[in-house]
Amino acid sequence: EVQLLESGGGLVQPGGSLRLSCAASGFTFQHYAMTWVRQAPGKGLEWVSAVSGNGDDIFYAPSVKGRFTISRDNSTLYLRMNSLRAEDTAIYYCAKTRGASYFDHWGQGTLVTVSS
Amino acid sequence: DIVMTQSPDSLAVSLGERATINCKSSQTVLHRSINKNYLAWYQQKPGQPPKLLIYWASTRESGVPDRFSGSGSGTDFTLTISSLQAEDVAVYYCQQYYGTPPFTFGPGTKVDIK
Repeated sequence: EVQLLESGGGLVQPGGSLRLSCAASGFTFQHYAMTWVRQAPGKGLEWVSAVSGNGDDIFYAPSVKGRFTISRDNSTLYLRMNSLRAEDTAIYYCAKTRGASYFDHWGQGTLVTVSS
Repeated sequence: DIVMTQSPDSLAVSLGERATINCKSSQTVLHRSINKNYLAWYQQKPGQPPKLLIYWASTRESGVPDRFSGSGSGTDFTLTISSLQAEDVAVYYCQQYYGTPPFTFGPGTKVDIK
C-alpha cells in the first residue's frame, strides 16, 4: 500500500525558514516523480514544485522560485522553504506523480502558518 | 502558464440525479501526435487530501465508481456524475499536465445535495 507521510509544518515568522519532509513507502520511490501541492485555508489547490525520479529534473511555480528548494533521497521527499511570506500559509501535500504528471496518491498534508 | 477555469462554482443536485461540471483551459491540452488530452479530475472531501478520479480526460482511475465519467477534448472538458450519491458531496478540481510545469488546477466546483 502506498503511504506518504508529511511532517515539518508549523508556525514560523515572516522571513523565516522551514523544511518539510514526506516519507514514502509501498512503492519503488526512485521510479516516480514527486510533487508538492499546497492549499491555502479555504482555497483551491496550487502546484508548487516537482522533482523527477532520479532528481535530475526540477521545476518550481513562479510564486516560490528562488525561495523554495525541492530534493529527495532514497525514500523521502523534502521541501526547504526560505524567506517565508504570509501568502505561503497553507496545507502542503506531497503527491506521487504518475507518468505525465498527474497525482495518484496524496499524503494527508502538513500545515504551514506564516505569521508574526 | 495555462489557466484553468471551472463552472459552475457550486451546484446542488438531488440524490440520484446527474451532476455536470465544466472545465476550460486557456490553451489546448491535446497532444495531437498521440491524441491524448493532458487533463485530470480530482475529488476532495472536507478534511481530506484530493483523490484522483480521471486522467487523460476520460480514463477512470482504478476503484472509482463508474458513475463518474470524463469527456471533452482540446480546451473544453466535462466531469459527469450520472447518479449523485450522498458520498459524492465534495469539491471537484480539474488539472492540466500539458507540456512543462507548472501544472495548474482549476478553482474547484463544490457539489452538494439539494
